[in-house]
Amino acid sequence: KNQVEQSPQSLIILEGKNCTLQCNYTVSPFSNLRWYKQDTGRGPVSLTIMTFSENTKSNGRYTATLDADTKQSSLHITASQLSDSASYICVVSKAGNNRKLIWGLGTSLAVNP
Amino acid sequence: NAGVTQTPKFRVLKTGQSMTLLCAQDMNHEYMYWYRQDPGMGLRLIHYSVGEGTTAKGEVPDGYNVSRLKKQNFLLGLESAAPSQTSVYFCASTQGAGSSYNSPLHFGNGTRLTVT
Repeated sequence: KNQVEQSPQSLIILEGKNCTLQCNYTVSPFSNLRWYKQDTGRGPVSLTIMTFSENTKSNGRYTATLDADTKQSSLHITASQLSDSASYICVVSKAGNNRKLIWGLGTSLAVNP
Repeated sequence: NAGVTQTPKFRVLKTGQSMTLLCAQDMNHEYMYWYRQDPGMGLRLIHYSVGEGTTAKGEVPDGYNVSRLKKQNFLLGLESAAPSQTSVYFCASTQGAGSSYNSPLHFGNGTRLTVT
């Protein structure tokens, strides 16, 4: 079964600290992996998209890594800000004839002052 | 630049009533999608469209219909609402084939629907 699992389910950190969110997947065949940020009451916003050949990609203070061999990805947030409080969702794109996006349940991050 | 706009933002329906959710995008995107988001579940694709005049079923299409008469608009209809359709509905658009290509999905801010 194609799955995307994220950990931790929720996380609380202090403003200014760094954190790393994890995503493990079993989707095959693999096309790309995406990270989205979803603020409460808003739609998801794309942070990064990585293909099989890319093992790191940055978007400001957000850095995503991908290990396609172990089927793991991480999202590292540097020098967190209060506005980083949100749900971070890992999404894996399945390639082939049955193309589809497989959505994780997200990690809920709270950044406290 | 508005991006993707969904109307209404909130709606309460009684079982059996019908309604239409409207999605409009101003980015000239070819592909448009309707998702639902429920607690404890990842986003699930209801229907999608690969261009004006086309529609296709997603993972959970039962109880919903869609139309794409104009490129910029994608309508989601509930003919006879059921409590199981209580959810947050998101519309998204992308220029390329969002699934297999490197095009990010652009989402609206959702419609929160309650069916009593």
